Amino acid sequence: KNEVEQSPQNLTAQEGEFITINCSYSVGISALHWLQQHPGGGIVSLFMLSSGKKKHGRLIATINIQEKHSSLHITASHPRDSAVYICAVNFGNEKLTFGTGTRLTIIP
Amino acid sequence: DAGITQSPRYKITETGRQVTLMCHQTWSHSYMFWYRQDLGHGLRLIYYSAAADITDKGEVPDGYVVSRSKTENFPLTLESATRSQTSVYFCASNRAGTSSYEQYFGPGTRLTVT
Repeated sequence: KNEVEQSPQNLTAQEGEFITINCSYSVGISALHWLQQHPGGGIVSLFMLSSGKKKHGRLIATINIQEKHSSLHITASHPRDSAVYICAVNFGNEKLTFGTGTRLTIIP
Repeated sequence: DAGITQSPRYKITETGRQVTLMCHQTWSHSYMFWYRQDLGHGLRLIYYSAAADITDKGEVPDGYVVSRSKTENFPLTLESATRSQTSVYFCASNRAGTSSYEQYFGPGTRLTVT
Protein backbone atom coordinates (compact mmCIF):
# COMPACT_ATOMS: atom_id res chain seq x y z
CA LYS A 1 0.00 0.00 0.00
CA ASN A 2 1.28 3.47 -0.86
CA GLU A 3 1.62 5.36 2.38
CA VAL A 4 2.93 8.68 3.64
CA GLU A 5 3.90 9.23 7.25
CA GLN A 6 4.73 12.52 8.94
CA SER A 7 6.32 13.32 12.23
CA PRO A 8 5.82 14.87 14.63
CA GLN A 9 2.02 15.28 14.66
CA ASN A 10 2.31 18.37 16.85
CA LEU A 11 5.25 20.66 17.44
CA THR A 12 5.49 23.67 19.72
CA ALA A 13 8.60 25.84 19.70
CA GLN A 14 9.83 29.23 20.77
CA GLU A 15 10.23 32.03 18.28
CA GLY A 16 13.63 31.87 16.62
CA GLU A 17 14.08 28.12 16.92
CA PHE A 18 15.10 25.90 14.00
CA ILE A 19 12.21 23.64 13.02
CA THR A 20 12.32 20.26 11.30
CA ILE A 21 9.30 18.28 10.08
CA ASN A 22 9.80 14.84 8.63
CA CYS A 23 8.03 12.82 5.95
CA SER A 24 8.62 9.25 4.89
CA TYR A 25 6.94 7.22 2.17
CA SER A 26 6.65 3.57 1.33
CA VAL A 27 7.58 3.17 -2.34
CA GLY A 28 9.14 5.10 -5.22
CA ILE A 29 7.60 8.44 -6.09
CA SER A 30 7.36 10.90 -8.97
CA ALA A 31 7.25 14.00 -6.79
CA LEU A 32 6.86 15.12 -3.18
CA HIS A 33 5.05 18.24 -2.06
CA TRP A 34 5.09 20.33 1.08
CA LEU A 35 1.87 22.25 1.68
CA GLN A 36 0.92 24.85 4.28
CA GLN A 37 -2.49 25.45 5.79
CA HIS A 38 -3.17 28.26 8.26
CA PRO A 39 -6.05 27.83 10.74
CA GLY A 40 -9.34 28.11 8.88
CA GLY A 41 -7.44 28.81 5.71
CA GLY A 42 -6.77 27.37 2.33
CA ILE A 43 -3.94 25.11 1.24
CA VAL A 44 -0.84 26.63 -0.29
CA SER A 45 1.93 24.75 -2.06
CA LEU A 46 5.35 25.53 -0.58
CA PHE A 47 7.56 23.14 -2.50
CA MET A 48 7.43 20.40 -5.08
CA LEU A 49 10.58 18.34 -5.41
CA SER A 50 11.76 15.05 -6.81
CA SER A 51 15.43 15.24 -5.80
CA GLY A 52 17.90 17.33 -3.86
CA LYS A 53 17.00 20.49 -2.02
CA LYS A 54 14.96 23.64 -2.52
CA LYS A 55 15.01 26.90 -0.58
CA HIS A 56 12.53 29.73 -0.37
CA GLY A 57 13.25 32.43 2.16
CA ARG A 58 13.50 30.78 5.59
CA LEU A 59 12.06 27.50 4.34
CA ILE A 60 14.19 24.62 3.09
CA ALA A 61 12.96 21.28 1.75
CA THR A 62 15.18 18.28 1.19
CA ILE A 63 14.55 14.83 -0.16
CA ASN A 64 16.58 11.62 -0.01
CA ILE A 65 15.26 9.28 -2.69
CA GLN A 66 17.24 6.25 -1.51
CA GLU A 67 15.96 6.56 2.05
CA LYS A 68 12.42 7.56 0.92
CA HIS A 69 12.49 10.52 3.25
CA SER A 70 11.99 14.27 3.08
CA SER A 71 12.39 17.07 5.60
CA LEU A 72 11.00 20.57 5.79
CA HIS A 73 13.12 23.02 7.76
CA ILE A 74 12.19 26.46 9.00
CA THR A 75 15.01 28.73 10.14
CA ALA A 76 14.48 31.59 12.60
CA SER A 77 10.87 30.54 13.20
CA HIS A 78 8.24 33.23 13.70
CA PRO A 79 4.70 33.10 15.11
CA ARG A 80 3.32 33.64 11.59
CA ASP A 81 4.83 30.24 10.68
CA SER A 82 2.22 28.64 12.94
CA ALA A 83 0.18 26.43 10.63
CA VAL A 84 -0.39 22.83 9.62
CA TYR A 85 2.30 21.52 7.29
CA ILE A 86 1.28 18.66 5.03
CA CYS A 87 3.49 16.29 3.08
CA ALA A 88 1.95 14.81 -0.08
CA VAL A 89 3.32 12.43 -2.68
CA ASN A 90 2.68 11.44 -6.30
CA PHE A 91 3.10 7.68 -6.58
CA GLY A 92 3.65 7.70 -10.32
CA ASN A 93 0.49 9.54 -11.37
CA GLU A 94 -1.30 12.85 -10.87
CA LYS A 95 -3.14 11.75 -7.71
CA LEU A 96 -1.76 12.92 -4.38
CA THR A 97 -1.47 10.81 -1.25
CA PHE A 98 -1.28 12.93 1.89
CA GLY A 99 0.29 12.62 5.27
CA THR A 100 -1.90 13.57 8.21
CA GLY A 101 -0.07 16.84 8.76
CA THR A 102 2.08 18.46 11.43
CA ARG A 103 0.53 21.20 13.53
CA LEU A 104 3.24 23.77 14.26
CA THR A 105 2.83 26.41 16.94
CA ILE A 106 5.49 29.09 17.40
CA ILE A 107 5.32 30.91 20.72
CA PRO A 108 6.52 34.54 20.81
CA ASP B 1 -7.58 36.24 -12.80
CA ALA B 2 -9.54 34.18 -10.27
CA GLY B 3 -7.58 30.91 -10.55
CA ILE B 4 -9.62 28.24 -8.84
CA THR B 5 -12.80 29.09 -6.96
CA GLN B 6 -15.32 27.15 -4.93
CA SER B 7 -18.91 27.92 -4.03
CA PRO B 8 -20.52 28.11 -1.65
CA ARG B 9 -17.80 28.71 0.95
CA TYR B 10 -20.10 27.63 3.77
CA LYS B 11 -23.17 25.43 3.64
CA ILE B 12 -25.50 24.00 6.24
CA THR B 13 -27.92 21.35 5.05
CA GLU B 14 -30.16 18.71 6.53
CA THR B 15 -29.75 14.97 6.43
CA GLY B 16 -31.22 13.50 3.26
CA ARG B 17 -31.02 16.64 1.15
CA GLN B 18 -29.12 16.86 -2.09
CA VAL B 19 -26.36 19.45 -2.19
CA THR B 20 -23.93 20.43 -4.93
CA LEU B 21 -20.54 21.99 -4.37
CA MET B 22 -19.13 23.93 -7.29
CA CYS B 23 -15.54 24.20 -8.45
CA HIS B 24 -14.34 26.45 -11.28
CA GLN B 25 -10.82 26.99 -12.63
CA THR B 26 -9.67 29.53 -15.19
CA TRP B 27 -6.41 27.87 -16.27
CA SER B 28 -7.84 25.15 -18.56
CA HIS B 29 -6.05 22.56 -16.45
CA SER B 30 -6.69 18.98 -17.52
CA TYR B 31 -6.89 17.37 -14.10
CA MET B 32 -9.31 18.31 -11.35
CA PHE B 33 -9.74 16.73 -7.92
CA TRP B 34 -12.14 16.73 -5.02
CA TYR B 35 -10.83 16.10 -1.50
CA ARG B 36 -12.39 16.06 1.92
CA GLN B 37 -10.46 17.05 5.01
CA ASP B 38 -11.37 15.58 8.38
CA LEU B 39 -9.64 15.70 11.73
CA GLY B 40 -7.58 12.58 12.19
CA HIS B 41 -7.75 11.59 8.53
CA GLY B 42 -6.10 14.45 6.73
CA LEU B 43 -6.99 15.00 3.10
CA ARG B 44 -8.60 12.16 1.19
CA LEU B 45 -9.41 11.96 -2.50
CA ILE B 46 -13.11 11.61 -3.34
CA TYR B 47 -13.13 11.79 -7.14
CA TYR B 48 -10.87 13.10 -9.85
CA SER B 49 -11.11 13.92 -13.53
CA ALA B 50 -8.41 13.72 -16.19
CA ALA B 51 -10.38 15.74 -18.75
CA ALA B 52 -13.92 16.70 -19.69
CA ASP B 53 -16.21 13.65 -19.56
CA ILE B 54 -13.52 11.51 -17.87
CA THR B 55 -13.94 10.91 -14.15
CA ASP B 56 -12.75 8.24 -11.73
CA LYS B 57 -13.18 7.27 -8.11
CA GLY B 58 -10.71 8.11 -5.42
CA GLU B 59 -10.31 6.73 -1.92
CA VAL B 60 -13.73 7.70 -0.48
CA PRO B 61 -16.30 8.02 -3.32
CA ASP B 62 -19.39 6.51 -1.67
CA GLY B 63 -22.32 8.94 -1.43
CA TYR B 64 -20.85 11.38 -3.95
CA VAL B 65 -21.42 11.99 -7.65
CA VAL B 66 -19.34 14.11 -10.02
CA SER B 67 -19.60 15.31 -13.57
CA ARG B 68 -17.37 17.26 -15.91
CA SER B 69 -19.10 18.49 -19.00
CA LYS B 70 -16.72 21.47 -19.36
CA THR B 71 -13.00 21.57 -18.67
CA GLU B 72 -13.30 24.49 -16.25
CA ASN B 73 -16.06 23.10 -14.00
CA PHE B 74 -16.10 20.08 -11.72
CA PRO B 75 -19.19 19.96 -9.48
CA LEU B 76 -19.49 17.52 -6.59
CA THR B 77 -22.97 16.36 -5.59
CA LEU B 78 -24.00 14.72 -2.36
CA GLU B 79 -27.11 12.86 -3.46
CA SER B 80 -28.55 12.35 0.03
CA ALA B 81 -26.41 14.09 2.61
CA THR B 82 -25.46 12.27 5.82
CA ARG B 83 -23.90 13.61 9.01
CA SER B 84 -20.71 11.70 8.20
CA GLN B 85 -20.30 13.96 5.18
CA THR B 86 -19.82 16.98 7.40
CA SER B 87 -16.35 18.08 6.38
CA VAL B 88 -14.26 20.67 4.61
CA TYR B 89 -14.14 20.04 0.88
CA PHE B 90 -11.28 21.19 -1.31
CA CYS B 91 -11.13 21.25 -5.06
CA ALA B 92 -7.77 21.27 -6.85
CA SER B 93 -6.41 21.24 -10.37
CA ASN B 94 -3.19 20.65 -12.27
CA ARG B 95 -1.94 20.41 -15.82
CA ALA B 96 -1.27 16.98 -17.27
CA GLY B 97 2.28 15.91 -17.95
CA THR B 98 5.19 14.33 -16.11
CA SER B 99 6.60 17.69 -15.02
CA SER B 100 3.33 19.21 -13.94
CA TYR B 101 2.40 17.51 -10.69
CA GLU B 102 1.87 20.75 -8.78
CA GLN B 103 -1.73 21.07 -7.63
CA TYR B 104 -3.53 24.33 -7.02
CA PHE B 105 -6.17 24.26 -4.34
CA GLY B 106 -9.40 26.17 -4.06
CA PRO B 107 -10.30 27.98 -0.82
CA GLY B 108 -12.50 25.16 0.45
CA THR B 109 -16.18 24.68 1.29
CA ARG B 110 -17.15 24.00 4.88
CA LEU B 111 -20.21 21.74 4.82
CA THR B 112 -22.28 20.93 7.88
CA VAL B 113 -24.99 18.28 7.68
CA THR B 114 -27.48 18.47 10.55
